[in-house]
Amino acid sequence: AQTVTQSQPEMSVQEAETVTLSCTYDTSESDYYLFWYKQPPSRQMILVIRQEAYKQQNATENRFSVNFQKAAKSFSLKISDSQLGDAAMYFCAYRSARPGPGGGADGLTFGKGTHLIIQP
Amino acid sequence: SAVISQKPSRDICQRGTSLTIQCQVDSQVTMMFWYRQQPGQSLTLIATANQGSEATYESGFVIDKFPISRPNLTFSTLTVSNMSPEDSSIYLCSVLLLKPNTEAFFGQGTRLTVV
Repeated sequence: AQTVTQSQPEMSVQEAETVTLSCTYDTSESDYYLFWYKQPPSRQMILVIRQEAYKQQNATENRFSVNFQKAAKSFSLKISDSQLGDAAMYFCAYRSARPGPGGGADGLTFGKGTHLIIQP
Repeated sequence: SAVISQKPSRDICQRGTSLTIQCQVDSQVTMMFWYRQQPGQSLTLIATANQGSEATYESGFVIDKFPISRPNLTFSTLTVSNMSPEDSSIYLCSVLLLKPNTEAFFGQGTRLTVV
């Protein structure tokens, strides 16, 4: 079974600074998807960024970028120019590209989350 | 994209009773899931809601405790049966779209408190 590990329960960053959230995962599969989701106090899960494992290029979405190291099974999220609205729980998640018997679950496997605090 | 409406948004229930949570999607989707998020914890997949057949449960979750219905491609319900305080959690409905990109969408969750 796949596992996702987020080793930072909480991170704090000054507004306008850069912060990196760590995520590692364990899988025997070669084809999969990785995600970072944001959950503000409203509880609504919001997709921040997605990475397909077959793509070597790191995904970027405006101020958000990832450092995807497939061999190391590492998938960190970098938030540049942090804003107060970035304060939330951040979850790293994994999904097999070939779920089903012998493969991964149909749904997503989540890490425990990192609580990001933005200091004004 | 997909817009998911989940009801109720919160409830306080007596132990031993059951609560049914509804999930309505604004488009037909094949893959629909239910997750549990215990206080301060991550999301754990309960089951895949299959249209026209029995749900597929993950390890640790059973149909008698969490019966799921999926009568069509836009609607599902999750029932939390014979509740105890340990069932106090947020329950989230989710759908997975594969096109144009693989992405999961979530309802706003149901915050359940069992007293």
